[in-house]
Parts: sequence; C-alpha cells; structure tokens
Amino acid sequence: NAGVTQTPKFRILKIGQSMTLQCTQDMNHNYMYWYRQDPGMGLKLIYYSVGAGITDKGEVPNGYNVSRSTTEDFPLRLELAAPSQTSVYFCASSPLPGQGAGDTQYFGPGTRLTVL
Amino acid sequence: ILNVEQSPQSLHVQEGDSTNFTCSFPSSNFYALHWYRWETAKSPEALFVMTLNGDEKKKGRISATLNTKEGYSYLYIKGSQPEDSATYLCAFDNYGQNFVFGPGTRLSVLP
Repeated sequence: NAGVTQTPKFRILKIGQSMTLQCTQDMNHNYMYWYRQDPGMGLKLIYYSVGAGITDKGEVPNGYNVSRSTTEDFPLRLELAAPSQTSVYFCASSPLPGQGAGDTQYFGPGTRLTVL
Repeated sequence: ILNVEQSPQSLHVQEGDSTNFTCSFPSSNFYALHWYRWETAKSPEALFVMTLNGDEKKKGRISATLNTKEGYSYLYIKGSQPEDSATYLCAFDNYGQNFVFGPGTRLSVLP
C-alpha cells in the first residue's frame, strides 16, 4: 500500500490564481481530512469527509472547496489564492470510527504552498 | 470550540536526560487521545492511541499515561537521544468526529 499520497509537493502561486491539491489513499478508508499547518501552530482542520459524496467544514474552511466523488480521492481546491493561504497542507485518512476503538489518522507527506 | 493544550511549547534536553510533557483536553465526550511524533519535513506518525482512563502505553523508551477524568495525558521519554528530536502532537478524538490537535511540544535533544 502506498498509504496517503499528495501532489504536488511544492507550489508557488500568484495572488488570485487557483489550484487543486490532490490527495489519494489506497487503504479503503472512509474518513478523509485536510489540514493546514502554519509556523508555530498546530494542525487546523479545513474540511473533512466521512465518505464518498459527503463533505463538511472544519475549523478554517474559508477560501477552500473540496469534493469527494470516490472513496480514494479528496482534492482540495483554492479558487482565489491569497497570501494568508501560504502554508503546509496535509491530507489524512482514517477507517470508520468504532472499528477498533480510536482509529488513528494516517497522514500524507504534505504540500508546501506559497502565495506571492 | 474544543481546546487542546500542550506544555511546554518547546524544550531542550541533553542526550541521556529523561523528559516529559503534557497534553490537556476536555474531560467530556472523550473517545480517544492520540499521540503523534512529527519530524521536521515529514508527516506526523502515530505513536499511541489511548482510550481508557488509567491507560499506560509504552514503545521502547517512550511511554504515555492517560487521565480522562481530569483531562490530561503525559508523554515520557527515558534517556533521550538526538533522534528523539521532533514535535510531539496530541489529538483529542471526541467520538467519530474530527480530531482536535494540540499545538505540539517541540523537543530538541542536544548531543
């Protein structure tokens, strides 16, 4: 299993540009998450999904959109990039909760995004 | 908004020293408490999942305890080594919903 994969690893955007961060997992996990990590801060949840076709906002969803058309893929879309979106973005997945108490989240390698 | 705190924010120890840090979380609606180890330029990796009050988990020189009634967990590292240098994250899992991560404790072990 490749686990959770993310592309690209690095990206520089100009203000107002748009892009999609890709996330794929091959573990047949139902739950998927997008986090951002800013310097000196913990992980902040942007959006999450409990299964194909279902998405929900996390703590910091403004400026982002997601879709979940398949179990495997959970892309994150930035429509109008702003400097405040400069961050490292992590995708994660986990099995259905309750299948083994407290199932952990498995993280991808991250995407470092800079908006200039 | 759920609040998960970790202390200290950072610490430096000498190689061979033992150390510990704290994760504080809400004591209601508890499902599990997760500890992650996060090395620079890598992704977080799971260390422990703790679910029962009084739980104690151990992996090599690293161990963790859990008190769900008072809402805290301790992570201990015995005989710290330079390769233990990382940020240690805890995450509060409130039953099937999303995790709430603490800000992390950044550990530097000096040779």
